[in-house]
Amino acid sequence: DVKVTQSSRYLVKRTGEKVFLECVQDMDHENMFWYRQDPGLGLRLIYFSYDVKMKEKGDIPEGYSVSREKKERFSLILESASTNQTSMYLCASIPSGSGHNEQFFGPGTRLTVL
Amino acid sequence: AQSVTQLDSQVPVFEEAPVELRCNYSSSVSVYLFWYVQYPNQGLQLLLKYLSGSTLVKGINGFEAEFNKSQTSFHLRKPSVHISDTAEYFCAVRGSNDYKLSFGAGTTVTVRA
Repeated sequence: DVKVTQSSRYLVKRTGEKVFLECVQDMDHENMFWYRQDPGLGLRLIYFSYDVKMKEKGDIPEGYSVSREKKERFSLILESASTNQTSMYLCASIPSGSGHNEQFFGPGTRLTVL
Repeated sequence: AQSVTQLDSQVPVFEEAPVELRCNYSSSVSVYLFWYVQYPNQGLQLLLKYLSGSTLVKGINGFEAEFNKSQTSFHLRKPSVHISDTAEYFCAVRGSNDYKLSFGAGTTVTVRA
């Protein structure tokens, strides 16, 4: 089974702190994604990566950056956390190639910024 | 780019009654369509997907969905719900030549005895 793990289920940080959210997948997937989930807004794409060292902005990249130094790990970075970044963050992955159609999701990290 | 509209934000339903969750999408390219479910305090789990072929697709837990290209819809149905179906349901779309997903806002289904 594909496994996508996220470093924390719950995280509480203070405004202005630098925050790292880690995501690891164990199935050698090329493509990885970070979403945030907010009530009434569904999931919105923050950043994604199609390969190591590659990154592309999603729909709401402001205030975030990412790092993909190894294929299995995709990190989301909040350079200076703000209260409006309080949210549930979900990581997902999918392999490249035809026949691979659905993204596999991690359990999520609920981040609270005080 | 693709977009998804889920027409109902909340759907209360009695146990053993049928339920339908509505989803419309827009896209300028051919698409793959998905329904995901999120149970309380859990991650997203795939319910079913439409890639091509038969427009009626069956998924896990007795759910099914019908793809209607002319109406750009992908409505989810279950003929008889259980208390355990209480969850949030997300419709999602991606272009067939892309890996990015676009999600709807979600529909919260609450099943009552």
